[in-house]
Amino acid sequence: QQQVKQSPQSLIVQKGGISIINCAYENTAFDYFPWYQQFPGKGPALLIAIRPDVSEKKEGRFTISFNKSAKQFSLHIMDSQPGDSATYFCAASTRISSGSARQLTFGSGTQLTVLP
Amino acid sequence: KAGVTQTPRYLIKTRGQQVTLSCSPISGHRSVSWYQQTPGQGLQFLFEYFSETQRNKGNFPGRFSGRQFSNSRSEMNVSTLELGDSALYLCASSPRVDTDTQYFGPGTRLTVL
Repeated sequence: QQQVKQSPQSLIVQKGGISIINCAYENTAFDYFPWYQQFPGKGPALLIAIRPDVSEKKEGRFTISFNKSAKQFSLHIMDSQPGDSATYFCAASTRISSGSARQLTFGSGTQLTVLP
Repeated sequence: KAGVTQTPRYLIKTRGQQVTLSCSPISGHRSVSWYQQTPGQGLQFLFEYFSETQRNKGNFPGRFSGRQFSNSRSEMNVSTLELGDSALYLCASSPRVDTDTQYFGPGTRLTVL
């Protein structure tokens, strides 16, 4: 129930195209859904995040679409650029059973390549 | 503010040895989490420390342990290394234990021969 399933595993997009990465979850206790971007040799960096009380959040070229009833959320990268080539991880967070601590569960990652 | 720093960046050990990795969180952050990243398993949660106490633990064997010091710096230790322990070990910090946003360091690449 703690799993977050991410697809596709890899994605190749032409410059200027739209990149779409999808994630699905089972645990309805998840209440925070961030996306992380990771470049080779670096740690993941928070890109954008959404809470389940909204269906969409946009920041520049990056948009999260959230479907609470389907328990799915996706990342859309508009006008994709070669500099966007990286690994993208979706994640979901919930409060753990004891205390106020929260735990992030990550998807398996998507290797995005944007061709020039 | 300086980001999360991890030392060493690269480490090569042999089976059966033990290793200690270090993490310095962002100044003012008191919560430190550790993750193991491998191509096959992705990012897996190891444990989280806050105020020198382990608050949460993932599904890893007891060979994996950690601690946090009064200045919020954290160390993780892996004893009796196995080939399967080869991975990128990531540390992440956040201001409090109930904060969702985590800030990751660059990781320590551990290779077990």
